[in-house]
Amino acid sequence: AAGVIQSPRHLIKEKRETATLKCYPIPRHDTVYWYQQGPGQDPQFLISFYEKMQSDKGSIPDRFSAQQFSDYHSELNMSSLELGDSALYFCASSSTSRGETQYFGPGTRLLVL
Amino acid sequence: AQKITQTQPGMFVQEKEAVTLDCTYDTSDQSYGLFWYKQPSSGEMIFLIYQGSYDEQNATEGRYSLNFQKARKSANLVISASQLGDSAMYFCAMRDSNFGNEKLTFGTGTRLTIIP
Repeated sequence: AAGVIQSPRHLIKEKRETATLKCYPIPRHDTVYWYQQGPGQDPQFLISFYEKMQSDKGSIPDRFSAQQFSDYHSELNMSSLELGDSALYFCASSSTSRGETQYFGPGTRLLVL
Repeated sequence: AQKITQTQPGMFVQEKEAVTLDCTYDTSDQSYGLFWYKQPSSGEMIFLIYQGSYDEQNATEGRYSLNFQKARKSANLVISASQLGDSAMYFCAMRDSNFGNEKLTFGTGTRLTIIP
């Protein structure tokens, strides 16, 4: 079965640089979520989109923005990167019509130097 | 605000034994969902099992079962016949929603180590 795809899997950036993370949800899933997991921590919700519209927002810094495109893929844009942004970034998707389970992608591991 | 509590930071279990990972939650909503995810050292987040607040039967998925006690607000994960590959971090999570497409709130996790 198709899973959530995230790219890149690993990313190394310098402070103050920008980064773009991409997510391709499971086909026919209508909701996409972004989570951030710092080292040794539990995942924290950043933002979600339902049918390409922002549906909820968590503790996402103003330096971050996200959107969902017409083909349902989503991008998380991160600017003015800080050392504290180093984390594992997950995208998850779910279908409101087929149950509520969120299926996670493999994550993008971001390291800011 | 909803809250998930996992009181066991780490557990060591002998291979082939059953193990119970504790999870308690706090919510004022009547409709909610409870999830367990497994995170191996490689980092991916693997869905294990789901329990809806209105489900009367405990959820089961292969060797995984969820001991749901609504009055006590607990949703413990039981793994039967543990295997070396079960060594991982386990997160309990809750979706607090009537619509099914809202964010998950995670507990702090339990690191399970299976001893040969």
